[in-house]
Amino acid sequence: GIQVEQSPPDLILQEGANSTLRCNFSDSVNNLQWFHQNPWGQLINLFYIPSGTKQNGRLSATTVATERYSLLYISSSQTTDSGVYFCAVSLIQGAQKLVFGQGTRLTINP
Amino acid sequence: NAGVMQNPRHLVRRRGQEARLRCSPMKGHSHVYWYRQLPEEGLKFMVYLQKENIIDESGMPKERFSAEFPKEGPSILRIQQVVRGDSAAYFCASSPTTHNEQFFGPGTRLTVL
Repeated sequence: GIQVEQSPPDLILQEGANSTLRCNFSDSVNNLQWFHQNPWGQLINLFYIPSGTKQNGRLSATTVATERYSLLYISSSQTTDSGVYFCAVSLIQGAQKLVFGQGTRLTINP
Repeated sequence: NAGVMQNPRHLVRRRGQEARLRCSPMKGHSHVYWYRQLPEEGLKFMVYLQKENIIDESGMPKERFSAEFPKEGPSILRIQQVVRGDSAAYFCASSPTTHNEQFFGPGTRLTVL
């Protein structure tokens, strides 16, 4: 099946820093989503981005489908950005299920 | 415009009991997905349903687990004779069509004593 790898697995930053999270996937996809799981366990949709670039406030994402990777950028980090960031994809052919990466655990220190 | 609703948010069961988890999709969404998140792990797909039909159950354990999405009412994930290894967060997602963004509910945290 499709492999989804996220890097880095852990990231510790000071408030105000910028960060880049990466998601590599092993096959052609028709859906790519980024999520933030906050410390209370809630899963928050950040971006639906099978290709191209999107921005939402301090967050932006870019997916290069032909090269099978996506990047999530967080600028001017705040402590509320802490949590786990998941990338999830579904294949062009067949199943609609999302396959999740193992996540990047981001800790923002004040 | 309410999001995906799940209840209960927390459920405690003793070994051998049954657990029923409910999911109401977003208004206008007829596609429902269930995912399970074991402690300290990512989410894993379990089952994909449309109204009254199971489309893909490739992630469902072969025994004790079942899912339905009736014509009226919420989708139900049922776990019979729960064991400690079933303790996890169970998330439901919905989408308006296939090949579309999935929106997630707050999850049900199942604890088996």
